[in-house]
Amino acid sequence: DAGITQSPRHKVTETGTPVTLRCHQTENHRYMYWYRQDPGHGLRLIHYSYGVKDTDKGEVSDGYSVSRSKTEDFLLTLESATSSQTSVYFCAISESGTVNTEAFFGQGTRLTVV
Amino acid sequence: GQSLEQPSEVTAVEGAIVQINCTYQTSGFYGLSWYQQHDGGAPTFLSYNALDGLEETGRFSSFLSRSDSYGYLLLQELQMKDSASYFCARGGDSSYKLIFGSGTRLLVRP
Repeated sequence: DAGITQSPRHKVTETGTPVTLRCHQTENHRYMYWYRQDPGHGLRLIHYSYGVKDTDKGEVSDGYSVSRSKTEDFLLTLESATSSQTSVYFCAISESGTVNTEAFFGQGTRLTVV
Repeated sequence: GQSLEQPSEVTAVEGAIVQINCTYQTSGFYGLSWYQQHDGGAPTFLSYNALDGLEETGRFSSFLSRSDSYGYLLLQELQMKDSASYFCARGGDSSYKLIFGSGTRLLVRP
């Protein structure tokens, strides 16, 4: 199994509070991704990174920010959590960042905003 | 546009063959891949097509027709354990993006 760990695995937070989710990899892959998964919407790309300090927006980036100060860590921050951000969040890593290369996913973080 | 369209649900009988379709918009197309996700689990890679035609991997095959902006995943000799959600995915406007369809939930019945 690819070495990719998400933390925390579960979190309940209050509306308006900041939340940071962490993705840690031991594979030294250059590309990292954050997705959210909601019923009927599949996996939607929030942000992705193509190297240390290199990030870009995905399909649903509003309300989210990311940082990547080291190859192995990619952080997703909700600056002020809202109930619409209740979701399951997946981190993924890829060696080449191309669709023909297998992306490995973490086990997900279930976030509930109350 | 980079969206992908899939049927939301498919039901099939154990031992049968099922095809899960995926249509996509053509802008910035870099190929189509397929992922499987069991309930409560993480998505896992199944296959990839860059060129037209059929790619076979055991009981699973994937097909692509770039002229039709269409692909499908074919599952043969269905087993109960194949009950899962299946996602097609494509590269985005830069090839580093990985964009997923909304997924097809496959239910295999005895």
